[in-house]
Amino acid sequence: DGGITQSPKYLFRKEGQNVTLSCEQNLNHDAMYWYRQDPGQGLRLIYYSQIVNDFQKGDIAEGYSVSREKKESFPLTVTSAQKNPTAFYLCASTLNRGSEAFFGQGTRLTVV
Amino acid sequence: AQSVTQLDSQVPVFEEAPVELRCNYSSSVSVYLFWYVQYPNQGLQLLLKYLSGSTLVKGINGFEAEFNKSQTSFHLRKPSVHISDTAEYFCAVSDPIPYGGATNKLIFGTGTLLAVQP
Repeated sequence: DGGITQSPKYLFRKEGQNVTLSCEQNLNHDAMYWYRQDPGQGLRLIYYSQIVNDFQKGDIAEGYSVSREKKESFPLTVTSAQKNPTAFYLCASTLNRGSEAFFGQGTRLTVV
Repeated sequence: AQSVTQLDSQVPVFEEAPVELRCNYSSSVSVYLFWYVQYPNQGLQLLLKYLSGSTLVKGINGFEAEFNKSQTSFHLRKPSVHISDTAEYFCAVSDPIPYGGATNKLIFGTGTLLAVQP
């Protein structure tokens, strides 16, 4: 079955550490996205990528970085510069404009 | 700029009762509209979408929504809810700015928790 796989499901980070969240899709979608979800705030766009080797900042990109070396993969790194990283992170992809976004199951990141 | 407003953060309802979850958006151009459902600790699943055509859109699990351009609304309805409908529901609008290609930047509302009680 086609879909989006995020790993790990739960992740714990110590203060000052960088961590990388994985996102893989086998839907053959060109566009991929990372959203952050906090209680009562809906989903906010961190980064998105239209094609391989290209990505754009979203609304809350500070403290995050991404890469898009393969069409199937769009990993997100939460750097130590992100002051409040505890949140639920969702990866998504779309086939084209007007099509719905397909979401992964999410990664819950907690700073300890 | 695009924005989406979901006025109700939580909607309690008894099982088998009808429900309406409200969504209003702001936009000066034509938009695509979506409703998603999220169960605890899971990703989002598409309920339905409006791209063009008939203003009444039917989705999965018995949900439907009506696009009202004059009121800039896209309210979600279900005539009879079940316990299993308890979840958070998000309304989203696509950003019409031409990012090009396959990009479909979505602007989400803050969500409405539908709490179905027996």
